[in-house]
Amino acid sequence: GENVEQHPSTLSVQEGDSAVIKCTYSDSASNYFPWYKQELGKGPQLIIDIRSNVGEKKDQRIAVTLNKTAKHFSLHITETQPEDSAVYFCAAKMGSARQLTFGSGTQLTVLP
Amino acid sequence: DAGVTQSPTHLIKTRGQHVTLRCSPISGHKSVSWYQQVLGQGPQFIFQYYEKEERGRGNFPDRFSARQFPNYSSELNVNALLLGDSALYLCASSLAGQNYGYTFGSGTRLTVV
Repeated sequence: GENVEQHPSTLSVQEGDSAVIKCTYSDSASNYFPWYKQELGKGPQLIIDIRSNVGEKKDQRIAVTLNKTAKHFSLHITETQPEDSAVYFCAAKMGSARQLTFGSGTQLTVLP
Repeated sequence: DAGVTQSPTHLIKTRGQHVTLRCSPISGHKSVSWYQQVLGQGPQFIFQYYEKEERGRGNFPDRFSARQFPNYSSELNVNALLLGDSALYLCASSLAGQNYGYTFGSGTRLTVV
């Protein structure tokens, strides 16, 4: 089955700096890659996603890039703000699969 | 519009007991998935139900079961609870079985003592 590795496990940045979180996946058949933000006591919230026919997608301060050849994808957050502090999860899904396979999460802390 | 709603929010059970967790999907969503999230880890897939039928099952023992009702709400049942079942149980809904837009609820925090 699919295996998703995520790093770093923790990341601290100064407010206004950029943050980058990276994930690798094992199954070349995976074609959907969402990113979720999870705040304390809440469920994961979808912040951006990308499909395998696209190399990059941007939504305001958030962007995701996908390298299908290397089987890795990354989340980029620019101009970070304290409210960006949370745990971020990457995930992957094959088109025929019923489930998302999640990475182990990155605790992002934005220091004021 | 209401999002995915789960009940109860917190639950404490004793080893060996049985538990039922409930989920109501977003209106119009016909697929419900269940995930287990152990502290410090990413969610792990348990089940997916679509149109009241089980469409996928993760690597969980038979103590875990689920069902989906005609109104698309769902229940997750866990029998013979173990300490290791302590986790956040998340429900996610989507329009269809292989749809890409999964929306998660806030989860049920289960503690087994």
